[in-house]
Amino acid sequence: EIVLTQSPGTLSLSPGERATLSCRASQSVSSSYLAWYQQKPGQAPRLLIYGASSRATGIPDRFSGSGSGTDFTLTISRLEPEDFAVYYCQQYGSSWLTFGGGTKVEIK
Amino acid sequence: QLQLQESGPGLVKPSETLSLTCTVSGGSISSSSYYWGWIRQPPGKGLEWIGSIYYSGSTYYNPSLKSRVTISVDTSKNQFSLKLSSVTAADTAVYYCARLVREYGVTGWFDPWGQGTLVTVSS
Repeated sequence: EIVLTQSPGTLSLSPGERATLSCRASQSVSSSYLAWYQQKPGQAPRLLIYGASSRATGIPDRFSGSGSGTDFTLTISRLEPEDFAVYYCQQYGSSWLTFGGGTKVEIK
Repeated sequence: QLQLQESGPGLVKPSETLSLTCTVSGGSISSSSYYWGWIRQPPGKGLEWIGSIYYSGSTYYNPSLKSRVTISVDTSKNQFSLKLSSVTAADTAVYYCARLVREYGVTGWFDPWGQGTLVTVSS
């Protein structure tokens, strides 16, 4: 099982600021098979990034993903009010699919 | 636009079997490009993959749940289903169904997701 550890647990920022979220894997994720999701209260997760750095259809370019191996990052260049939510990473380099524990981005 | 909708009882007694169905609309479940998956989220907690199925019936389960999980598909109805046996309070969660976009073998990312359904395990 590949364990994904997300940090920080909570990120307190103001609109317009830059958010940097980390996802660290317990072993190397093959071919950067990592996705990021956004979840708002009472809603299902929404795909943001796949393949570590490819934006899903309709996702604004203020969202970007990077990384390889065991260290991955989701960056939101300038936070908009609708970006305050919980973010999860998911690896699919192993047939045992796993998610990180999530990072909550809250308004400071 | 592809849509997924979960359905099933919202309350299940301990030791019984949880049964949910996901109905896919706006596209065919019989596409070679996709698997179909179940994911759950206990209240206030993170996401856990339960298992995935291909339209042919091939399945892949989370090893930690494998002994209690059965996922099946009905291509004639464009549906797939989840059964989780011997449930306890720890199985209380929002259960989501989602399309798994195949990137590599049997794995990939989930998009889109159903709205989710809360299943409570209680006597």
